[in-house]
Amino acid sequence: SQELEQSPQSLIVQEGKNLTINCTSSKTLYGLYWYKQKYGEGLIFLMMLQKGGEEKSHEKITAKLDEKKQQSSLHITASQPSHAGIYLCGAVQGAQKLVFGQGTRLTINP
Amino acid sequence: EAGVTQFPSHSVIEKGQTVTLRCDPISGHDNLYWYRRVMGKEIKFLLHFVKESKQDESGMPNNRFLAERTGGTYSTLKVQPAELEDSGVYFCASSQVSPYEQYFGPGTRLTVT
Repeated sequence: SQELEQSPQSLIVQEGKNLTINCTSSKTLYGLYWYKQKYGEGLIFLMMLQKGGEEKSHEKITAKLDEKKQQSSLHITASQPSHAGIYLCGAVQGAQKLVFGQGTRLTINP
Repeated sequence: EAGVTQFPSHSVIEKGQTVTLRCDPISGHDNLYWYRRVMGKEIKFLLHFVKESKQDESGMPNNRFLAERTGGTYSTLKVQPAELEDSGVYFCASSQVSPYEQYFGPGTRLTVT
């Protein structure tokens, strides 16, 4: 079965700094999702990438999909306290379900 | 538009008891999923409904877990009898087109003591 490995597992950055989170798959990626979770809340859909080389941005968050490397990266520019949370990558497995990485816990220090 | 809702938000029960979790998907979403995250592990798929039919229940841990979706609307997940290893956060998600753009509920935190 497909496995997703996220790195780093946790990240502490100073407010205003840039950061990158990586997600590497054990198998070919046919679709990659990024979600964000805050404590006590559900997973908030950030973006979905489907094609190799695809890059999407939402506000200060940019995600890229490198199909050849079976990897995706999530980049946050000029981080803010509102960016704090757990970031999860998910991949479609089979036709029905998502498999997830273990998550990256992001802390933003003021 | 209301999002996916789950009830209760927290449940603490003793080993051997029964617990029923409920999920109300986004209106009009035929696809409903249950996932679970146990301590220190990644979120794992449990099962998938299309309307009232179970499409994939390959992730259900064992026969102590029973999921239903009456009339293709809300869904329940019953654990009977609960064991310590069932503790975790149970998420429900729904989508209009499977498996894309799954919208997740806030989860139910289950603690079995």
